[in-house]
Amino acid sequence: AQSVTQLDSQVPVFEEAPVELRCNYSSSVSVYLFWYVQYPNQGLQLLLKYLSGSTLVESINGFEAEFNKSQTSFHLRKPSVHISDTAEYFCAVSKANAGGTSYGKLTFGQGTILTVHP
Amino acid sequence: DSGVTQTPKHLITATGQRVTLRCSPRSGDLSVYWYQQSLDQGLQFLIQYYNGEERAKGNILERFSAQQFPDLHSELNLSSLELGDSALYFCASSVRAYTGELFFGEGSRLTVL
Repeated sequence: AQSVTQLDSQVPVFEEAPVELRCNYSSSVSVYLFWYVQYPNQGLQLLLKYLSGSTLVESINGFEAEFNKSQTSFHLRKPSVHISDTAEYFCAVSKANAGGTSYGKLTFGQGTILTVHP
Repeated sequence: DSGVTQTPKHLITATGQRVTLRCSPRSGDLSVYWYQQSLDQGLQFLIQYYNGEERAKGNILERFSAQQFPDLHSELNLSSLELGDSALYFCASSVRAYTGELFFGEGSRLTVL
């Protein structure tokens, strides 16, 4: 079974400051890793994903995450945050595809609430 | 807009009652997932269907059941409701069953009084 630990439940930062949201996972098999974002009163949206290849993945709105297999981490970073980045961020893991059809099940962390102050 | 539609958005009911939550996946998506989000448990995977068949089961209570119909919409049935069942229930869909790239609806907020 997989598990995900998000090390910070809340992260307050000022606008234009850098931010890092930490995520560690545990799994005995290869995994895919994801960050989802949930804005108030909305569903979750995929922010970025690591399936294979380059360990550094980027989103269209300036976030990036690096897969570190040795440290079993997938931390999310942004060099300069905006007020509009205020949301809850979820790290998630799924088994990497091994030919089955039930590996889409995601295990989520508890979430990190990012609050960006002016 | 993710393309996933969930109804109703809000539902208030009493303990012991039964409710049905409905989900229409994105056009073309064959896989449907149900998740429960609560303050104490976080996001918990309940069940997954792929093209009408159950494919994975998570922490779903025996009082809960789900199905996916031939037109690919899905329903989650919750019965003998308890106060602790109050939560936000999300449906998500994906084209394939194994990538983990899910598109979530806005959720159905269930309040059990």
